Amino acid sequence: AQKITQTQPGMFVQEKEAVTLDCTYDTSDPSYGLFWYKQPSSGEMIFLIYQGSYDQQNATEGRYSLNFQKARKSANLVISASQLGDSAMYFCAMRPQIQGAQKLVFGQGTRLTINP
Amino acid sequence: DAGVTQSPTHLIKTRGQHVTLRCSPISGHKSVSWYQQVLGQGPQFIFQYYEKEERGRGNFPDRFSARQFPNYSSELNVNALLLGDSALYLCASSAYPGTPNEKLFFGSGTQLSVL
Repeated sequence: AQKITQTQPGMFVQEKEAVTLDCTYDTSDPSYGLFWYKQPSSGEMIFLIYQGSYDQQNATEGRYSLNFQKARKSANLVISASQLGDSAMYFCAMRPQIQGAQKLVFGQGTRLTINP
Repeated sequence: DAGVTQSPTHLIKTRGQHVTLRCSPISGHKSVSWYQQVLGQGPQFIFQYYEKEERGRGNFPDRFSARQFPNYSSELNVNALLLGDSALYLCASSAYPGTPNEKLFFGSGTQLSVL
């Protein structure tokens, strides 16, 4: 079974600073995918970034990057130059990379607040 | 292009009643998944449908059922509602279900309150 742990219930950051959101995972699957989603107050989950377990380089998508440390089973999200609009819930999730595997397993989430 | 649309946005029911939630995927997407998000927690997988067939089911009781229609829209049905069914129900669609880096595109959800 897969498990995602996000140990930071809330984070407060000044605008324009960088922020790291922690995510550790546990799985016995040989290959898997890791995802980060953002959930603003509207409720919609917005895809941010994806990392495959066999990808050699850390994923980047604009201001988002994923600090993937496979041996430590961690997949931290780094947001550079934070903006007020980044205030939201952030969820780390994983899925085994088995063809046909359907579900995403989510962590508890971290509430990020950007202060002006 | 329209994103994933869900209806209704809010719903209030009483214990023992039945509820039907609806979801329209992004145009061209043939897979729909349903997730339950209880307040303060991450979403939990309920079902996935692809080409009108159930492709995955989470650890939910038989009171929960779903179906997918020929136009790829989907319904989630919950019978004999319990207080614990109060949650945000999220629908997600995808174009290539089961591929390793499959991205799910979520709707804004239906907030169900059971009194």
